[in-house]
Amino acid sequence: KQEVTQIPAALSVPEGENLVLNCSFTDSAIYNLQWFRQDPGKGLTSLLLIQSSQREQTSGRLNASLDKSSGRSTLYIAASQPGDSATYLCAVRPDGTSYGKLTFGQGTILTVHP
Amino acid sequence: GAVVSQHPSRVICKSGTSVKIECRSLDFQATTMFWYRQFPKQSLMLMATSNEGSKATYEQGVEKDKFLINHASLTLSTLTVTSAHPEDSSFYICSARGGAGSEAFFGQGTRLTVV
Repeated sequence: KQEVTQIPAALSVPEGENLVLNCSFTDSAIYNLQWFRQDPGKGLTSLLLIQSSQREQTSGRLNASLDKSSGRSTLYIAASQPGDSATYLCAVRPDGTSYGKLTFGQGTILTVHP
Repeated sequence: GAVVSQHPSRVICKSGTSVKIECRSLDFQATTMFWYRQFPKQSLMLMATSNEGSKATYEQGVEKDKFLINHASLTLSTLTVTSAHPEDSSFYICSARGGAGSEAFFGQGTRLTVV
């Protein structure tokens, strides 16, 4: 059974800092990995999706890497801003078949203070 | 990205009644939809997967007679919580995907409170 773990559980940083969120998964046979953002009481916003054949994806100040063989992914946020404060979730998709349900980590609660 | 609309965003119901939550893909055809449940400060737990026109597949421990899922069209799936109890109070989120290789898009979530 796939298990996804995110470290740290919570992180508080001053504005402007670069930071790294970590995600690990126990079964390396994944189809892709996705990073999401969730604001309190809201749904999920997809940030980056990395296919199993890719090593990284970038969008603006965000960069996600994937090391499938070691079961790890990192989300790098450059020059953090208070608006980045949210819960960040990583999720893995097991295969490319029609179902392919996502398994989520518990999330990292990020607070960026001015 | 594609838009998934979930309705209602909040609902309060009395214990013993049923509540229906709708999940719509607004600008794409969703061959597969997923229903998740999220308890406070916990991650999302998959409840069931539905493919258009066929019966939903429920995860272990999820009562299919209590959480009725209907995926009657390529743009609409519904989750009905039957005979709701206070322990069913939670945040329910749907997700929709167009095809096997496509990204999953999530609705805004529904906060259900059973009193």
